[in-house]
Amino acid sequence: GQSLEQPSEVTAVEGAIVQINCTYQTSGFYGLSWYQQHDGGAPTFLSYNALDGLEETGRFSSFLSRSDSYGYLLLQELQMKDSASYFCAVRDGDNFNKFYFGSGTKLNVKP
Amino acid sequence: GAGVSQSPRYKVTKRGQDVALRCDPISGHVSLYWYRQALGQGPEFLTYFNYEAQQDKSGLPNDRFSAERPEGSISTLTIQRTEQRDSAMYRCASSLEQGSTDTQYFGPGTRLTVL
Repeated sequence: GQSLEQPSEVTAVEGAIVQINCTYQTSGFYGLSWYQQHDGGAPTFLSYNALDGLEETGRFSSFLSRSDSYGYLLLQELQMKDSASYFCAVRDGDNFNKFYFGSGTKLNVKP
Repeated sequence: GAGVSQSPRYKVTKRGQDVALRCDPISGHVSLYWYRQALGQGPEFLTYFNYEAQQDKSGLPNDRFSAERPEGSISTLTIQRTEQRDSAMYRCASSLEQGSTDTQYFGPGTRLTVL
């Protein structure tokens, strides 16, 4: 089966850098995605890694190591508005159109 | 509107009643997904459509749940004989093409409460 593990909660101060880790187990791998969800809001897509390495999009970067079944989301220059839950997601190795989401990491940014 | 819309946004029903939840995806999006999301958890996959074809329904919990997308656009998730355990946020998401990207655009969800 498929499973993803993320820390349940992370706290950091404004202006700092924070890393949110995700380890996954899949029967086949098609890439790792990250979504952000503010309280009361809908998940919004942040990034996608299919190959090893770092993908950078503004203040956010995402890293993947397929050999370690591991990825992380890096948030730099933290702002209060970054306080949200962050989910990693993978496709099912046997059912390509089926996605599994982690249980989410709640990021608390403090002044 | 430009985004995914869902209706109703809130639905309160009594146990045993049927409910129909509607999703209007972004225009032109081929792929449509239904998820259920419990508070403090990630979305849980229910079913997937490619155009009007339901290509994966492996996440539907039991045969009380069904979904359709008859014209390849709007989709309806129907729950028959609702039970209290069905109470949750139901979200749909759409994406432009099947498999070309993992970018899904989520709707605001329907909060279902079964009394």
